[in-house]
Amino acid sequence: QQQVKQSPQSLIVQKGGISIINCAYENTAFDYFPWYQQFPGKGPALLIAIRPDVSEKKEGRFTISFNKSAKQFSLHIMDSQPGDSATYFCAASIPGGGNKLTFGTGTQLKVEL
Amino acid sequence: SAVISQKPSRDICQRGTSLTIQCQVDSQVTMMFWYRQQPGQSLTLIATANQGSEATYESGFVIDKFPISRPNLTFSTLTVSNMSPEDSSIYLCSVERTSGGGEQFFGPGTRLTVL
Repeated sequence: QQQVKQSPQSLIVQKGGISIINCAYENTAFDYFPWYQQFPGKGPALLIAIRPDVSEKKEGRFTISFNKSAKQFSLHIMDSQPGDSATYFCAASIPGGGNKLTFGTGTQLKVEL
Repeated sequence: SAVISQKPSRDICQRGTSLTIQCQVDSQVTMMFWYRQQPGQSLTLIATANQGSEATYESGFVIDKFPISRPNLTFSTLTVSNMSPEDSSIYLCSVERTSGGGEQFFGPGTRLTVL
């Protein structure tokens, strides 16, 4: 049973545009929601994370929006750049559960000139 | 963030053999994890490597196939035993900062191909 659903599977955005990736979860015990960025041949890099006590978190061009009632969260990349072209994974974890991460299926983002 | 290294970075192995992957962290960490990422797929947790005790395995993964060692707070190994082509994947270790916060940081991964 997939506990974190991610969409879209792939995304093409023009340079300067906004990239939006969505995730939905089922387990209400999740309380930590990170996003990872992965380039080919590299390990995932922590990009930004949020906890359910806030509805939005912004770091530079990256923003997480969190909707607790809908059990959804999304990543917005403002002013998308070709260097943002990578695979993005959302994830979730449960407190006290050793912080084991459950990952979404990933979104392959391509930012075109 | 923590600096994490893995050895080897990649390997090509024959069916039926075993490979041990090393994960080294530049600082002491409480939690270390091993993940598998099959080609073009997401990450799946194999086990949590506990210092001083046996690893905790996720459903579908067993100690006989993926024995793990955690001799200290900066090092862990994962062995992929009796390999088959289905074991061809990227194997990643990750660590959680001891200071808490929940952030996990990943190593560069080991790309394994089994012929």
